[in-house]
Amino acid sequence: DQQVKQNSPSLSVQEGRISILNCDYTNSMFDYFLWYKKYPAEGPTFLISISSIKDKNEDGRFTVFLNKSAKHLSLHIVPSQPGDSAVYFCAASAQNRGSTLGRLYFGRGTQLTVWP
Amino acid sequence: DSGVTQTPKHLITATGQRVTLRCSPRSGDLSVYWYQQSLDQGLQFLIQYYNGEERAKGNILERFSAQQFPDLHSELNLSSLELGDSALYFCASSVSLDVRGHKNIQYFGAGTRLSVL
Repeated sequence: DQQVKQNSPSLSVQEGRISILNCDYTNSMFDYFLWYKKYPAEGPTFLISISSIKDKNEDGRFTVFLNKSAKHLSLHIVPSQPGDSAVYFCAASAQNRGSTLGRLYFGRGTQLTVWP
Repeated sequence: DSGVTQTPKHLITATGQRVTLRCSPRSGDLSVYWYQQSLDQGLQFLIQYYNGEERAKGNILERFSAQQFPDLHSELNLSSLELGDSALYFCASSVSLDVRGHKNIQYFGAGTRLSVL
């Protein structure tokens, strides 16, 4: 049962434009969400995260938006660069009270291609 | 470089065999996680260890086992291998808070690609 879903397997964007990657989840217990980026032959690299007490978190060109009522989050990359071309995974966890060591549930990923 | 080291990078073996995958976590991280990524799939959680003790179990087969040693490195043992066990196996370790204030960031190794022929 896929509790975290990324319904777009691929996205193609021109350099300089905005990339929007979407993610939906089903488990209302999830309270912490992360985005990872993965290049071929490498492990996933942490990009940005958001707690359920917030609806937006920004880090440079990357912004994550969370809509709890819709159980939806999105990652915005502005402006997109060719080096951003990678697979992006959305992940979620249900933090144990007083602990930050919960397992992550991953989506299947979205391949982003940024062309010049 | 995430600081998480996985060996070997590639492993080719035959059905019915047994292999051991090794993971060294980031310095200071007490928690180690194992994930499996099959073709076109997301990362599936297998098992978590915290300071030597099993903490959580996911969809890990009975043919698979893991342990975390006193020096905090971890090993994932896969036995009676089947063709369907061919996958990328990732290890991750975590800290509770990084310098940017993010919680539960898991840092991943480069993975071990297992091919069962």
